[in-house]
Amino acid sequence: QVQLVQSGAEVKKPGSSMKVSCKASGGTFSTHGISWVRQAPGQGLEWMGGIIPLLGKVNFAQKFQGRVAISADKSTSTAYMEVSSLRSEDTGVYYCARSAVAGTSGSVWFDPWGQGTLVTVSS
Amino acid sequence: QLVLTQSPSASASLGASVKLTCTLSSGHSSYAIAWHQQQPEKGPRYLMKLNSDGSHSKGDGIPDRFSGSSSGAERYLTISSLQSEDEADYYCQTWGTGYSVFGGGTKLTVL
Repeated sequence: QVQLVQSGAEVKKPGSSMKVSCKASGGTFSTHGISWVRQAPGQGLEWMGGIIPLLGKVNFAQKFQGRVAISADKSTSTAYMEVSSLRSEDTGVYYCARSAVAGTSGSVWFDPWGQGTLVTVSS
Repeated sequence: QLVLTQSPSASASLGASVKLTCTLSSGHSSYAIAWHQQQPEKGPRYLMKLNSDGSHSKGDGIPDRFSGSSSGAERYLTISSLQSEDEADYYCQTWGTGYSVFGGGTKLTVL
């Protein structure tokens, strides 16, 4: 069974950057997309973007284009999501999730999910 | 524009059944969706993929109490024999070419 384990909680200053990792184990990493989903405090789920590690192909939701970078290291089966120029509205829990079908990123259902990483942006 | 609409809240009694609804935006009634459960203070968990014809495939370990059905642009999640651990937020998800969309979620309270 594939398992996704994310990096730990972070507290960041406004204007700084953050980078969250998502390490996959127990299955094939490169062929299935990894998406990133944000959940602001008390709010719902919001798809940010995703990557297919084998192809290096990245898709973003329009809202997150520009300040967000998504990458993957096939050698360590780890995906990364970096947000720059952080502001208070970026506070929330960030989840990675694996595409259930190979060769897709975002355009398919997600299974499984990571445990989430809480990022707090505060001065 | 591909949009999913869910009622913000629902409630049902312990041992009863509840049917949650996810509605696809106009012109998208043929789209499949997925249902995810998020228990308090936990990450989401995949429940099932639900097709427009009502056929569905559940995730590993999902009890038979969870089932899905479809009618037109509506996608349903039915939970029978409600248990306390079913109290959670339920999100539907769909997708287009290169992107995903989530509904706003339904908070289910088990009375």
